[in-house]
Amino acid sequence: EVQLVESGGGLVKPGGSLRLSCTASGFTFSDYAMNWVRQAPGKGLEWVSSITRGSGYTNYADSVKGRFTISRDNAKNSLFLQMTSLTAEDTAVYYCARLLGSAWFSGYWGLGTLVTVSS
Amino acid sequence: EIVMTQSPVTLSVSPGERATLSCRASQSVSTNLAWYQQKPGQAPRLLIYGASTRATAIPARFSGSASGTEFTLTISSLQSEDFALYYCHQYNTWPLTFGPGTKVDVK
Repeated sequence: EVQLVESGGGLVKPGGSLRLSCTASGFTFSDYAMNWVRQAPGKGLEWVSSITRGSGYTNYADSVKGRFTISRDNAKNSLFLQMTSLTAEDTAVYYCARLLGSAWFSGYWGLGTLVTVSS
Repeated sequence: EIVMTQSPVTLSVSPGERATLSCRASQSVSTNLAWYQQKPGQAPRLLIYGASTRATAIPARFSGSASGTEFTLTISSLQSEDFALYYCHQYNTWPLTFGPGTKVDVK
């Protein structure tokens, strides 16, 4: 069974940094590209970032480009999102998601981790 | 950026009735369109991808169709567990984008 467990969320002050982690199990992690998707409280879904299997290609939403960095450690079945210069607009539940196959939509989702940016 | 719009915002349906949800892309996404269901406090659940392919374990009452840049999710006979938020999502072009969602509630 595919399992994705996010961690690292919490309360951070504006301008601060946070590193999210996602631990994967139930599949061969290195075989799949991965996404981060977020959802602000009471709002819709927003794609944040994607990374290919071997980390050779990454992409970011304009809203986070230059501030967030996606990475992965295939040996540890882990996906990361390093977030810097956080603002209140980054407050959201952050979901780690695995592609179903090779197309970029998310087939499997974690339960999410809440990031709150507030002073 | 491809803008996805969904209508209606809220759809009130009685159990057992048919629900038809619409999604429009601001430009062609081919059939690179997925639908997700989300219930309060839960992660999204993939229903449909490739505009019309049901994901694993998704009941046959859920179906998707496409016509150009217009996409439809149909729930043939609503069950109690189907009252939820539904999002469409294009994965044809970066940045990946989602529609704002349609809430299906009890009439």
